Amino acid sequence: AQTVTQSQPEMSVQEAETVTLSCTYDTSESDYYLFWYKQPPSRQMILVIRQEAYKQQNATENRFSVNFQKAAKSFSLKISDSQLGDAAMYFCAYRSTLNFGNEKLTFGTGTRLTIIP
Amino acid sequence: DTGVSQDPRHKITKRGQNVTFRCDPISEHNRLYWYRQTLGQGPEFLTYFQNEAQLEKSRLLSDRFSAERPKGSFSTLEIQRTEQGDSAMYLCASSLAFNADVRGAFFGQGTRLTVV
Repeated sequence: AQTVTQSQPEMSVQEAETVTLSCTYDTSESDYYLFWYKQPPSRQMILVIRQEAYKQQNATENRFSVNFQKAAKSFSLKISDSQLGDAAMYFCAYRSTLNFGNEKLTFGTGTRLTIIP
Repeated sequence: DTGVSQDPRHKITKRGQNVTFRCDPISEHNRLYWYRQTLGQGPEFLTYFQNEAQLEKSRLLSDRFSAERPKGSFSTLEIQRTEQGDSAMYLCASSLAFNADVRGAFFGQGTRLTVV
């Protein structure tokens, strides 16, 4: 079974600075998807960024980018120019590429990000 | 379409009572998922449907839990004889089958269950 580990329960960053959230995972599969989801207080979880394991290039979405290290099974999220609206719980998640019985997302325990004005 | 909708948002019930939650997915999405999230934890998979077929159930889903998705549209999650350990946020998510990996799943705001 796959597992996802987020070792930073809480992080804080000054507004406009850069912060990196860590995530490691364990799997025996060679192809899979990795996601970062954001869960603001009392609001629904939304997708921030995704990465296909077969792609060597790191995904980027505006101020959000990942550092995907497949051999190390590491998938960190970098947030540049942090904004007050980035304050939320961030969850790293894994999904198999196999169909029929492997559709679920496996989540880490989350990192609570605080933005300091 | 305003996204995935869950009802109720909050539910307080006495131990031993039955509760039912509803999820309305994004209309064109054929996949629907239920997750449970306890305090300080990430969401844990419970079950998922493709159209009306329930294709996978987690062992977390004891026989007190049942989920349905009649006609492949909305879904209900029922918990019978609730226990205090059932207190959690119940999240619903939906996606299109062919791009669940591309766009990820869209989540609702959840139903927070408190069993007293």
